[in-house]
Amino acid sequence: DAKTTQPNSMESNEEEPVHLPCNHSTISGTDYIHWYRQLPSQGPEYVIHGLTSNVNNRMASLAIAEDRKSSTLILHRATLRDAAVYYCILRRTGTASKLTFGTGTRLQVTL
Amino acid sequence: DAGVIQSPRHEVTEMGQEVTLRCKPISGHNSLFWYRQTMMRGLELLIYFNNNVPIDDSGMPEDRFSAKMPNASFSTLKIQPSEPRDSAVYFCASTLTSGGAIGELFFGEGSRLTVL
Repeated sequence: DAKTTQPNSMESNEEEPVHLPCNHSTISGTDYIHWYRQLPSQGPEYVIHGLTSNVNNRMASLAIAEDRKSSTLILHRATLRDAAVYYCILRRTGTASKLTFGTGTRLQVTL
Repeated sequence: DAGVIQSPRHEVTEMGQEVTLRCKPISGHNSLFWYRQTMMRGLELLIYFNNNVPIDDSGMPEDRFSAKMPNASFSTLKIQPSEPRDSAVYFCASTLTSGGAIGELFFGEGSRLTVL
C-alpha cells in the first residue's frame, strides 16, 4: 500500500481555519484519499474522502493537489471539540483492501 | 441506529486467563474489522471478515489470538492464554462492502483490556 506522511502535531486557535497536510507521493491512480479522526477515548470516525476533485461535507473540506501527491484537510472553523488525531489514509478501489492507519496528526485547539 | 456495539468496555484479567471480546456490527453491514491500539504501535489491523468469512488474518499476532464470525450480527476475538503485552484497546469496525470496494468504516467505542 502507498504510504502517507503527516506532521506529528499541529496547533490552532479556536474559531480559526485549520489546514492539515498529507503527503502521498507514491499514490496510484486507483487510490482514494480518506481522512479519519479519533477523539480522545473514542474509536476513529470517518471525516471525508476523495479521488481527484476537491470535496466538501458538513465536517470539512478536502483539497487534493493536481498531481495527487498531496492533499489538505481543511476545518473551516476549529472548535475545542475538533481536538483529535487526524489520519490520512490511501484506499485502493476494486479490491477488499485494508484500512491501514499511520501515526496521524494530533491537533490541539486552544481558546 | 445503535452503531457498532462492543463488550466488555473494560476488562482486567490475570496473565494466563482466557479473554473474549465481543462485537455486534451495524445491521446490514457485511464487513467486519478488528483493530488493536497501543501507544507504542498505534492502530493495527488484526483481521477482517467479509460476509462472515475471514479475508485477511495476517495481522493476528500469534496463535494465542483467534477470531470468529458465526453470523452476520456477531463476532468474537479470543485471546488464550492472555499475556501482559496484550494490554491494549481493541476496536471493532463494520462497513458495507460492495463490488470489492469498502465504504466508510464505523467503529465501536472499544474494549480496554488490561492483563496483569
